[in-house]
Amino acid sequence: NAGVTQTPKFQVLKTGQSMTLQCAQDMNHEYMSWYRQDPGMGLRLIHYSVGAGITDQGEVPNGYNVSRSTTEDFPLRLLSAAPSQTSVYFCASSYSKDRRNTEAFFGQGTRLTVV
Amino acid sequence: RKEVEQDPGPFNVPEGATVAFNCTYSNSASQSFFWYRQDCRKEPKLLMSVYSSGNEDGRFTAQLNRASQYISLLIRDSKLSDSATYLCAVNKPGAGSYQLTFGKGTKLSVIP
Repeated sequence: NAGVTQTPKFQVLKTGQSMTLQCAQDMNHEYMSWYRQDPGMGLRLIHYSVGAGITDQGEVPNGYNVSRSTTEDFPLRLLSAAPSQTSVYFCASSYSKDRRNTEAFFGQGTRLTVV
Repeated sequence: RKEVEQDPGPFNVPEGATVAFNCTYSNSASQSFFWYRQDCRKEPKLLMSVYSSGNEDGRFTAQLNRASQYISLLIRDSKLSDSATYLCAVNKPGAGSYQLTFGKGTKLSVIP
């Protein structure tokens, strides 16, 4: 079972470069989210999606764009990388069942360094 | 008061000990609560969902106290393999698990 797959696992960018972090899930989950994790800060929500074509901002959206053209894919775009975006990025998917929220399933993460 | 707060630890306990973690949350309207385990340089993985009646899974017991707005995790008979960081997560009221607020995590080291 693949679950949530993120690529790449590691990336080094120069300041000002742009890139896309890929996230795909094969569980047919309706919800997907992007988090970043920094030392001492915990996981913080960047953007989320409640279905194909529907996205919204989380706690720390500045400098990032997302789109959700299919249920499976939820890419995260860094528009102009800054050193402050050095972090570990996690993609997650989830769904609701019988009005109860299930847990979020996480991908293995992308470690991004901006120099 | 921060949205979700945890004691950062570290908790250093001997094998076989019982250890308890608490996590407080600020919004009384939150409905979904989770404990995750995160190993070093790995993704968070669900340990337990926390239900209003409390729930138990082997050596692990999770409880919810709505009146005082905290959730707890009890680990009995600690194993070396329990060494990890434990994250609590709470949903934003009205939202699903696509909007979770996490605590900063509590680091547990189980020592021989």
